[in-house]
Amino acid sequence: GAVVSQHPSWVICKSGTSVKIECRSLDFQATTMFWYRQFPKQSLMLMATSNEGSKATYEQGVEKDKFLINHASLTLSTLTVTSAHPEDSSFYICSASVLGRVSNEQFFGPGTRLTVL
Amino acid sequence: GDSVTQMEGPVTLSEEAFLTINCTYTATGYPSLFWYVQYPGEGLQLLLKATKADDKGSNKGFEATYRKETTSFHLEKGSVQVSDSAVYFCALSEVTSGSRLTFGEGTQLTVNP
Repeated sequence: GAVVSQHPSWVICKSGTSVKIECRSLDFQATTMFWYRQFPKQSLMLMATSNEGSKATYEQGVEKDKFLINHASLTLSTLTVTSAHPEDSSFYICSASVLGRVSNEQFFGPGTRLTVL
Repeated sequence: GDSVTQMEGPVTLSEEAFLTINCTYTATGYPSLFWYVQYPGEGLQLLLKATKADDKGSNKGFEATYRKETTSFHLEKGSVQVSDSAVYFCALSEVTSGSRLTFGEGTQLTVNP
């Protein structure tokens, strides 16, 4: 149980285009979903926290107009990278926390590799 | 604020060697502690966790004990395998932060045959 999927697993796009990444909790309802960005050989950087039906909370330094987050249901959150540029190339990982769990455990998706040409 | 500090890597061991990856934390409350593992090109997988002082988390031969007195959660394994080669992240989460995870820097482990 507690499986999180991401789609696509990798994407290559041209500079200036927008890319949408989906994050789904497959067998549970997620209170909260998180979006992370990871650069090579580095730790995960939290970009935003997303609760179903409300606006995402962005971390300091993350442009909310650049990284649009929509959390339409308890099983789906999307991250849209708008007008992507080469510096947006990165590994994007989502995670979900389980409604009612005591230990605040997060379950992670497999990640999406974005390459902007 | 909360923080997690891991021993610097990378760590290179021979198969069947003993592994220790140190992790210490700073937190305002009583956090839950986690070790996550990331294999190349993949997301993170929970390896083990502990939710209160003196709890021992264990999985796949890995162990870590929640030490409140030393604010530590060191990861150990008695005999590593080549398949254990990965990046290991120590993390904490506090209820007051809404499940938000604070990660350490990550430690790259390479196990040679």
